[in-house]
Amino acid sequence: AQSVTQPDIHITVSEGASLELRCNYSYGATPYLFWYVQSPGQGLQLLLKYFSGDTLVQGIKGFEAEFKRSQSSFNLRKPSVHWSDAAEYFCAVGPPGGYQKVTFGTGTKLQVIP
Amino acid sequence: DAGVIQSPRHEVTEMGQEVTLRCKPISGHDYLFWYRQTMMRGLELLIYFNNNVPIDDSGMPEDRFSAKMPNASFSTLKIQPSEPRDSAVYFCASSPDRGVGQPQHFGDGTRLSIL
Repeated sequence: AQSVTQPDIHITVSEGASLELRCNYSYGATPYLFWYVQSPGQGLQLLLKYFSGDTLVQGIKGFEAEFKRSQSSFNLRKPSVHWSDAAEYFCAVGPPGGYQKVTFGTGTKLQVIP
Repeated sequence: DAGVIQSPRHEVTEMGQEVTLRCKPISGHDYLFWYRQTMMRGLELLIYFNNNVPIDDSGMPEDRFSAKMPNASFSTLKIQPSEPRDSAVYFCASSPDRGVGQPQHFGDGTRLSIL
């Protein structure tokens, strides 16, 4: 069965600092990978997705993620964090083949300090 | 374009009462998902529909929970009778059927409190 692990529950970074959020997945083949962001009181919003091709994926709000097959990882990065990036971030994995069921990680809550 | 619309945004009720949560997916989306989010268990998929037909309800916690999708633009999640442990934020999401790996679009959720 597919699974996704986000090892960091909370991360605190200073505004302007770089950010990397970790995500590891478990699946027999290359799955579809997503990063979502959830601001307080709101639903999840898609940041970026990876299906195939270039392993470095650009998303909205200046985020990017890199797929590393050898490490079964799909880490999210941002070179310079803004206070408005404070939110909870979810990695998600879906199997190839058109099946829509997606498994979400437990989330990483990002705090940004001035 | 209107996003996924959920109602009510907040619901507070006493245990034993029936609770009905509502969702209007994005027009043209063929998949509809119901999730529950709690601090302890994170985001859990309860059930999802394709073209109004339930495909997988293995995440529905027990018989007190039921979900319906009578047409392409409306779905309900019902809890009867409700219990305090059902308190959570319930999200509805939809996605199009345009090939594999389409992202899901989430509503803003219903925050449910059972007293």
